Amino acid sequence: EIVLTQSPGTLSLSPGERATLSCRASQSVSSNYLAWYQQKPGQAPRLLIFGASSRATGIPDRFSGSGSGTDFTLTISRLEPEDFAVYYCQQHGSSPWTFGQGTKVEIK
Amino acid sequence: QVQLQESGPGLVKPSETLSLTCTVSGGSISSYYWSWIRQSPGKGLEWIGYISYSGSTNYNPSLKSRVTIAADKSKNQFSLKLDSVTAADTAVYYCARAYSGYDYYRDWGQGTLVTVSS
Repeated sequence: EIVLTQSPGTLSLSPGERATLSCRASQSVSSNYLAWYQQKPGQAPRLLIFGASSRATGIPDRFSGSGSGTDFTLTISRLEPEDFAVYYCQQHGSSPWTFGQGTKVEIK
Repeated sequence: QVQLQESGPGLVKPSETLSLTCTVSGGSISSYYWSWIRQSPGKGLEWIGYISYSGSTNYNPSLKSRVTIAADKSKNQFSLKLDSVTAADTAVYYCARAYSGYDYYRDWGQGTLVTVSS
């Protein structure tokens, strides 16, 4: 199975700052079948990015995804108060689908 | 807008069977792919498996010997059964929808906590 390793584990930033989250795969992710989710306490994950770089419906353009193969990045250009949450990457190109362990973006 | 709602016992005894149901509204389970995903503090998010609109299934090999996902089209529901549970199966269980077998999850239920304890 493909193991996804996210870094850093925690990112401490202030509103207005730029956040850069990394997701590294143990094998190449087929057809860039890589998605990013945001999760807030007590809520289900919310889809942000699919296909490594396409924003889901209703997602603000401050969120962007990039990368291919084994290295992927989620960037939040300017953090808003509602962006402080945990972010997960997921690959769905090779069964079993797997998730990273998450990066927590917290207020500094 | 499709909505998914998990239901089932919140407490299951060790060695027994965990049974959950996901009720789908605003869409038919005769289309798309319907999955179960769980989240525990120890293992994070873990994909359990899916059932397709045609009834085909795909399970995580780590759970395959204990998992059954089935659909009831008359009720627009699908279900999860996990046999021989242990404390390691304690988690929040989510149902979710994907548009194909190789797809991300744009629609999720709110999740239900299942605790395995005597």
